[in-house]
Amino acid sequence: LAKTTQPISMDSYEGQEVNITCSHNNIATNDYITWYQQFPSQGPRFIIQGYKTKVTNEVASLFIPADRKSSTLSLPRVSLSDTAVYYCLVGYSGYALNFGKGTSLLVTP
Amino acid sequence: EAGVTQFPSHSVIEKGQTVTLRCDPISGHDNLYWYRRVMGKEIKFLLHFVKESKQDESGMPNNRFLAERTGGTYSTLKVQPAELEDSGVYFCASSQVWTGRNNEQFFGPGTRLTVL
Repeated sequence: LAKTTQPISMDSYEGQEVNITCSHNNIATNDYITWYQQFPSQGPRFIIQGYKTKVTNEVASLFIPADRKSSTLSLPRVSLSDTAVYYCLVGYSGYALNFGKGTSLLVTP
Repeated sequence: EAGVTQFPSHSVIEKGQTVTLRCDPISGHDNLYWYRRVMGKEIKFLLHFVKESKQDESGMPNNRFLAERTGGTYSTLKVQPAELEDSGVYFCASSQVWTGRNNEQFFGPGTRLTVL
């Protein structure tokens, strides 16, 4: 499994765009990049997945450069309810998800 | 559509006792997973069922843990006897048939286990 490195924590004000970058230098050809979000006292929740270039859904955007050695999760105009831990996962099989430490995002007024 | 449910939400037991956690996956999901986060650590994979069969139990910490999924519907995770280091949050997740890429797993709210 590819090892991932992401910031331990980030703070943001409401309304700002938040970008969380994840490094995965030894990503394999077949690996996908997946981000999960976890609110306090809840289980993780899938938010976005990509293989290359850019993916966008109603929640976030995921930017993946050509070398795929990193990826950036972009949350547009965050609100207080976006306060959560965000996990970057890299792998192919999709079965045993490998959660790292994640990035704890705190959004304040 | 109902999500993944887990019971109980919190269990407090004494060392040496037995506890059984239950998980009801999303209806129609063949894949069921157990994970746990012990104090201060990361969420770790325990095992994976496909219907009633154990596909991968490489993450089970020791033989005090027994997972079952009779009939391929709900699953139970029994800890017997419980030890102090078993305290943590146990998550269950489910997913549909694997389509050849990372499949989205739907997590339950977790069961918080406290062993005194």
